[in-house]
Amino acid sequence: RKEVEQDPGPFNVPEGATVAFNCTYSNSASQSFFWYRQDCRKEPKLLMSVYSSGNEDGRFTAQLNRASQYISLLIRDSKLSDSATYLCVVTGDRGSTLGRLYFGRGTQLTVWP
Amino acid sequence: ETGVTQTPRHLVMGMTNKKSLKCEQHLGHNAMYWYKQSAKKPLELMFVYNFKEQTENNSVPSRFSPECPNSSHLFLHLHTLQPEDSALYLCASSQAPAEVADTQYFGPGTRLTVL
Repeated sequence: RKEVEQDPGPFNVPEGATVAFNCTYSNSASQSFFWYRQDCRKEPKLLMSVYSSGNEDGRFTAQLNRASQYISLLIRDSKLSDSATYLCVVTGDRGSTLGRLYFGRGTQLTVWP
Repeated sequence: ETGVTQTPRHLVMGMTNKKSLKCEQHLGHNAMYWYKQSAKKPLELMFVYNFKEQTENNSVPSRFSPECPNSSHLFLHLHTLQPEDSALYLCASSQAPAEVADTQYFGPGTRLTVL
């Protein structure tokens, strides 16, 4: 059973495009949700947390639907520098697993000029 | 950024060698982690240390042996590895204990090749 599932892509979009990534998770009791970004041959870095009410950080908007166990990331006005792999991350549900991170395989994005 | 450093960055070893990976965090964090990232697979948690104590071993083979001498340093000792152990090994740390959902900060990783 895969804890977190993502479309691996790749997504190839022109500069200025809007692109959306989706993610589903298997544990309905998971507590916290994140999007991490990983550049080629680099380490993952936190992009943003995801809240039930939805949250926005500049050109990035994250949404969580607990009923459907679904997380999304929307990138507007894509830049060349957005090219990376986007990792959907879900934490455990209780006790010692609460802080444990479960990673999806990642969705690869390439923005071309 | 130098919050979490890892050495070496690249390592090639034979199946009979013994080597160690080193991780150091300069963030004053309380929890440290080892992850494995293989091609086409999600990051896999290997070990968790809270306040220098190992709190999780995610069914990792004994040829991988972690060591945490203090809250800033974490080692992964390797011996008699297999070619399928070739991967990127990432160290991470977090401020809060590992039982709390907190941002984890990753080191640049050690790319390991086992011949």
